[in-house]
Amino acid sequence: GAGVSQSPRYKVAKRGQDVALRCDPISGHVSLFWYQQALGQGPEFLTYFQNEAQLDKSGLPSDRFFAERPEGSVSTLKIQRTQQEDSAVYLCASSSRALTDTQYFGPGTRLTVL
Amino acid sequence: AQTVTQSQPEMSVQEAETVTLSCTYDTSESDYYLFWYKQPPSRQMILVIRQEAYKQQNATENRFSVNFQKAAKSFSLKISDSQLGDAAMYFCAYLTQGGSEKLVFGKGMKLTVNP
Repeated sequence: GAGVSQSPRYKVAKRGQDVALRCDPISGHVSLFWYQQALGQGPEFLTYFQNEAQLDKSGLPSDRFFAERPEGSVSTLKIQRTQQEDSAVYLCASSSRALTDTQYFGPGTRLTVL
Repeated sequence: AQTVTQSQPEMSVQEAETVTLSCTYDTSESDYYLFWYKQPPSRQMILVIRQEAYKQQNATENRFSVNFQKAAKSFSLKISDSQLGDAAMYFCAYLTQGGSEKLVFGKGMKLTVNP
């Protein structure tokens, strides 16, 4: 595709609900990243995939957060039992090679937990 | 762990003038990459410019250029002939060459361009 796409763009959830956020990377990009951006802050790393392998999940804040990329293309970030502190913009990025290549970002999903 | 600091939360510039955004970082690595990203109000993060630490020559992209001072761990962005479309949040980011491929971002700086 022309760029990284994410859906939905906006998501409102009641506390305790599960949510799933989707990322479609640029076609052919090997690497995929998820970041969390709180209001007024810079993005913070959550997790990284190289093809279908999740190579780094050190940034996931708790075991309620789970990400997958089963076929090495589309990725889903799932948050179980959402809490108010999960409210943020979730950004997805992809790059064409495993190391050091520029990461291209999607428009993000703004999650609001009430 | 690497850290990135953007000490100026906001700046403003007159249209057609030049502005410099500052960024410092802390690392023990010798090889790494630095980036400036722009995030307009629509929220899409856009790459502005990229610098490889092993390159002594400062990167330039049209009206955007950097002043990379490796010893001082400083990476400033200069925007020449500022345009209204340059108004956005600007983030400085650090990428390690090996190991984790994650970007480490600063807190960002809001640039306002006055007509």
